[in-house]
Amino acid sequence: QITLKESGPTVVKPTQTLTLTCTFSGFSLSTNGVGVGWLRQPPGKALEWLALIYWDDDKRFSPSLKSRLTVTKDTSKNQVVLTMTNMDPVDTATYYCAHRRLDIYGFDMWGQGTMVTVSS
Amino acid sequence: EIVLTQSPGTLSLSPGERATLSCRVSQSVDSSYLAWYQQKPGQAPRLLIYGASSRATGIPDRFSGSGSGTDFTLTISRLEPEDFAVYYCQLYGSPWTFGQGTKVEIK
Repeated sequence: QITLKESGPTVVKPTQTLTLTCTFSGFSLSTNGVGVGWLRQPPGKALEWLALIYWDDDKRFSPSLKSRLTVTKDTSKNQVVLTMTNMDPVDTATYYCAHRRLDIYGFDMWGQGTMVTVSS
Repeated sequence: EIVLTQSPGTLSLSPGERATLSCRVSQSVDSSYLAWYQQKPGQAPRLLIYGASSRATGIPDRFSGSGSGTDFTLTISRLEPEDFAVYYCQLYGSPWTFGQGTKVEIK
């Protein structure tokens, strides 16, 4: 049974760096064909994909946010960490991590999400 | 950048009725790359359909997907009370892209 859970601050100030951790179970990020993605959803708005990291450490980023994003994995801890620099109020959203397998062009399991508010 | 346009924005139907949701893509794509999600208030999205027409694990057969090229459809054959939610289409690519969603509400 795959589960994922996001953790991190609920409030960050403008210009600060956001660090979120996705802790998962039921799969290993060292297994061929597995990836973990990050997505977000501003209140009342649509979903937006941010980044993906794969078992082989290949990383993909949203072109519009690439300069602000970093993603790393710790396979021994079953964790993936997302950092986003220079936070702005427009970055206020629920942030999700999600599981991907290479044979499905979608995210088949999601964390519950964590709401992050950017405010001074 | 490819744009996904979902219609209608809101669909008002009664339980037992058929729901037909559209996702139009701004350029022709491989249908393998098209997925659909359901999202209920306060919950994470749930994958319903991948590869345009394959149901994800545990998804009831009243949900079906079809389409190719630029036009894709999610059909719910008979709406159950738990099906009233927002539905998103999603395209694999660089970047992964989502439509703006269709809300299926109780009439």
